[in-house]
Amino acid sequence: EDQVTQSPEALRLQEGESSSLNCSYTVSGLRGLFWYRQDPGKGPEFLFTLYSAGEEKEKERLKATLTKKESFLHITAPKPEDSATYLCAVQARGGATNKLIFGTGTLLAVQP
Amino acid sequence: NAGVTQTPKFQVLKTGQSMTLQCAQDMNHEYMSWYRQDPGMGLRLIHYSVGAGITDQGEVPNGYNVSRSTTEDFPLRLLSAAPSQTSVYFCASSPTRTAEKLFFGSGTQLSVL
Repeated sequence: EDQVTQSPEALRLQEGESSSLNCSYTVSGLRGLFWYRQDPGKGPEFLFTLYSAGEEKEKERLKATLTKKESFLHITAPKPEDSATYLCAVQARGGATNKLIFGTGTLLAVQP
Repeated sequence: NAGVTQTPKFQVLKTGQSMTLQCAQDMNHEYMSWYRQDPGMGLRLIHYSVGAGITDQGEVPNGYNVSRSTTEDFPLRLLSAAPSQTSVYFCASSPTRTAEKLFFGSGTQLSVL
């Protein structure tokens, strides 16, 4: 069964303290892995898509990487405005390729 | 550009009542979908559509109906509300049928008493 596990569930950082969020996945052939950011009371906002092991994507202080078993979202020198829940999702190759399996997210709090 | 618009933002129902959650997008996206988000669980797909007149079931379709008569609108109907349907509902659209890069609405918080 396709599955996504995110860790940690919650993470508290001081402003400027770099860290990484983990997304482990089990899927019968990965078509794509997606990262979203969700602010309280709002819908998720797309960040990155990764398709193959070794691929990396960057946006401001965020960098997403992908291996055959997991993805990391690296946050460099975070600011309080980076506080949000970060969601990971995978899409399997074959079958209904438009279905995403979401993880439960990592709640990130960055304190000034 | 409004993007994906959901109404209402909040709703309280009694068990057995029916209602429709509205979703509209102005980006001419082919793909539209409904998700529910519950504490401790990831977003789960309820129903989706890859174009006008085409709908299909997702992971948790029971108790919900959808239709897609236009490209812009994708309403979600609760036939007979149950407490288990208390959740936050998100509508999402994508420019591709493979649902890459979803654009989400701001959500509807539904409580069923």
